[in-house]
Amino acid sequence: SAVISQKPSRDICQRGTSLTIQCQVDSQVTMMFWYRQQPGQSLTLIATANQGSEATYESGFVIDKFPISRPNLTFSTLTVSNMSPEDSSIYLCSVEGTGPSYNEQFFGPGTRLTVL
Amino acid sequence: GIQVEQSPPDLILQEGANSTLRCNFSDSVNNLQWFHQNPWGQLINLFYIPSGTKQNGRLSATTVATERYSLLYISSSQTTDSGVYFCAVEGGTSYGKLTFGQGTILTVHP
Repeated sequence: SAVISQKPSRDICQRGTSLTIQCQVDSQVTMMFWYRQQPGQSLTLIATANQGSEATYESGFVIDKFPISRPNLTFSTLTVSNMSPEDSSIYLCSVEGTGPSYNEQFFGPGTRLTVL
Repeated sequence: GIQVEQSPPDLILQEGANSTLRCNFSDSVNNLQWFHQNPWGQLINLFYIPSGTKQNGRLSATTVATERYSLLYISSSQTTDSGVYFCAVEGGTSYGKLTFGQGTILTVHP
């Protein structure tokens, strides 16, 4: 398995500002994934973050709005830029497990963001 | 991309009842997982089950990959089983990317 922590756990922000969310994993992993869950909805993949290369974004998500850093094999950040109330969501990072849990995905506890 | 459909969307049970949740997917998959999202938003891994059958206590799951569906069985439900159950799949060329179904909202009354 993998143990994942996220900071902050929740935040309330004003529109027009930016928030950076951190994701820390207890083991080295090749790929880290960022998901968004809008209120009452399912999870949608934002982007895949590989160490040493640019993140790969899914359709409907752009780097200017959701810049991602991946400085090493255990850490990543997602920034939500120029926020609007529509960005109010839970943001989750995930990684694939290691050893016997390889190919199984594990999720962090999420960051609950409210934009006023 | 791959499509994932879950049914039913909502399910209300009395404590002690059994239930079956279904997940249909539109293409072959490398990975299929069932998650329980608790009221605090945490996703709990229930099963990694791209094929076959697994059991863990009161929960069991079966995936028939050739027919593109998976079932999650909950027996003797408890109030703590309440929450949202998600099925998520990784398509053949998705390399770790999960596509989630819309979820089943389960409410278990005492």
